[in-house]
Amino acid sequence: AQSVSQHNHHVILSEAASLELGCNYSYGGTVNLFWYVQYPGQHLQLLLKYFSGDPLVKGIKGFEAEFIKSKFSFNLRKPSVQWSDTAEYFCAVGLGSGTYKYIFGTGTRLKVLA
Amino acid sequence: DTEVTQTPKHLVMGMTNKKSLKCEQHMGHRAMYWYKQKAKKPPELMFVYSYEKLSINESVPSRFSPECPNSSLLNLHLHALQPEDSALYLCASSQGDRNQETQYFGPGTRLLVL
Repeated sequence: AQSVSQHNHHVILSEAASLELGCNYSYGGTVNLFWYVQYPGQHLQLLLKYFSGDPLVKGIKGFEAEFIKSKFSFNLRKPSVQWSDTAEYFCAVGLGSGTYKYIFGTGTRLKVLA
Repeated sequence: DTEVTQTPKHLVMGMTNKKSLKCEQHMGHRAMYWYKQKAKKPPELMFVYSYEKLSINESVPSRFSPECPNSSLLNLHLHALQPEDSALYLCASSQGDRNQETQYFGPGTRLLVL
């Protein structure tokens, strides 16, 4: 069965620390990859997405992610986190090229200490 | 306007009640989605409507009944729910009809079934 794994469930960092959140998926076909963020009290919003082309994609607020096809991974990175990055981060995978289906990872709760 | 609105924000219902959740978007999106999110879990897809037709039903129990009266509105009718159905119900929409599209999420309706 297809699945999306986020291995870090809770991450605590100090401001200015670097961030990397892992995302791995199990699906052998074409995928479209997304990172969504949910700030406290707010709804899910898109951070960045990858469909094709350059495997290093840049999103909003200084976030970037790298698609490594051979590792079935799409890790999220930020060189220097801020307190305002405290949120829950979800990796999502769109399966195939002709369906509407997203599968979400289990989420990573990030807390940034001021 | 990139907003998806959902009403009500909170809903408490008994197991014999009938209620409805409402979702609205005015972005001209042609695909709309219902997700269920339990606490500390990722969103799980329930239904997808594309061009006002039901496209995906993820084996959801019949006590949940979706309806898409027009391209801007999506309802979820609830009847004879169980306490385990208590969750955050998220609506989303996307422009096209394939999973390359970014999904825009509403704030959700927090449902408690007593």
